[in-house]
Amino acid sequence: NAGVTQTPKFQVLKTGQSMTLQCAQDMNHEYMSWYRQDPGMGLRLIHYSVGAGITDQGEVPNGYNVSRSTTEDFPLRLLSAAPSQTSVYFCASNRRGGATDTQYFGPGTRLTVL
Amino acid sequence: GENVEQHPSTLSVQEGDSAVIKCTYSDSASNYFPWYKQELGKRPQLIIDIRSNVGEKKDQRIAVTLNKTAKHFSLHITETQPEDSAVYFCAASIGYGQNFVFGPGTRLSVLP
Repeated sequence: NAGVTQTPKFQVLKTGQSMTLQCAQDMNHEYMSWYRQDPGMGLRLIHYSVGAGITDQGEVPNGYNVSRSTTEDFPLRLLSAAPSQTSVYFCASNRRGGATDTQYFGPGTRLTVL
Repeated sequence: GENVEQHPSTLSVQEGDSAVIKCTYSDSASNYFPWYKQELGKRPQLIIDIRSNVGEKKDQRIAVTLNKTAKHFSLHITETQPEDSAVYFCAASIGYGQNFVFGPGTRLSVLP
C-alpha cells in the first residue's frame, strides 16, 4: 500500500491565484481530513469528510473548498491564494470503526504565497 | 469546542535521562488520545495512543498515562536517545472520533 499520498510536495503561488492540492489514500478509509501546520501552532483542521459525498468544515475553513467524489481522493482547493495561506498542508485518513482509529498522514505540501 | 494545551513548548534533556510532556483537554467527551512524533521536514507519525477506558499504556521506552477526571494525559520517554529529538504533538478526539484537536507541540532536544 502507498498509504496517503499528496501532490505537489512544494508550490509557490502569487496572491490571487487558485490551485488544488491533491490527496489520495489506498487503505479504503472512510475518514479523510486536511490540516495546515504553522510554526508554533500545531495542526489545525481545515475540512474533513466522513465518506464519499460528505464534507464538513473544521476549525479554519475560510478560503478553502473540498469535495469527496470517491473514497480514495480528497482534493483541497484554494480559491484565491493569500499570503496568510502560506503553510504546510497535511492530508490524513483514518478508518471508521466501533472505536476511534489511528490517523495516517500524507507527506505534506509546502505552500508559499507571495 | 475542544481545546488542547501542551507543556512545555521546548524541553532539553541529557541522553539517558527521562522526558515528560503533559497535555490537558477540555471536552469530557474526548475518548482517544494519540501522540505523534514529527521530525524536521517529515510527516507526523503516531508513536503511542491511549483510549479513555485505560489509565496507562507502555511500549518499550515510551509510556502514556491518562487521568480522565483531571482531563490530562502525559507522554513519558525513558532512557532518551539523540534520535528521540523531534517535535511531539498530543491530540484529543472530537465528535464521533473522526477528527482530532492537536496541542501546539513540544520540541524535545536530547543532548549527547
